[in-house]
Amino acid sequence: DTAVSQTPKYLVTQMGNDKSIKCEQNLGHDTMYWYKQDSKKFLKIMFSYNNKELIINETVPNRFSPKSPDKAHLNLHINSLELGDSAVYFCASSQRTGTDTQYFGPGTRLTVL
Amino acid sequence: EDQVTQSPEALRLQEGESSSLNCSYTVSGLRGLFWYRQDPGKGPEFLFTLYSAGEEKEKERLKATLTKKESFLHITAPKPEDSATYLCAGRAAGNKLTFGGGTRVLVKP
Repeated sequence: DTAVSQTPKYLVTQMGNDKSIKCEQNLGHDTMYWYKQDSKKFLKIMFSYNNKELIINETVPNRFSPKSPDKAHLNLHINSLELGDSAVYFCASSQRTGTDTQYFGPGTRLTVL
Repeated sequence: EDQVTQSPEALRLQEGESSSLNCSYTVSGLRGLFWYRQDPGKGPEFLFTLYSAGEEKEKERLKATLTKKESFLHITAPKPEDSATYLCAGRAAGNKLTFGGGTRVLVKP
């Protein structure tokens, strides 16, 4: 019944590794997002996809690459992980772009050692 | 650059002690001011959207109001279950949300 789900919940890895976080929504929404919440609790948008098309791409290192196989899924792949990538990553979705409320997943806590 | 500032950073209340949280915003072409609640270890949970100055919305003990520069979240007679971090966000064109740093509310019985 979970509307927006993410896996894994926790991810602990070494510097330099490559990892992926998966997100799925069962709300029938067209638009999905990735946010990063840092240690000071600020949520900042990273990417947004509408019907598999990238529409928001904030100033994020090229090591981060979102992939949307279909409009219900938006995955985040991170190459060459760095200490500063440690944060909680949230996926969100909305019915459409521009007008609708965003609903968030439970988050993935990434720790880079 | 769009900016959202919330105050205070933390608020300790006794059960039943009403208070207000402040959200100041400078968001170009604001298309909605959002309030979310976030519990520890969980994602933000949507509470309200306000679109125009003077608008008010209520849900149980929470009431959100909007002016041209600020939004307030009033908590009336809070209960311990109202303890959470409350996040404010302004939306610009393209559904891009700019979040404030949140206010951590602790309600003691």
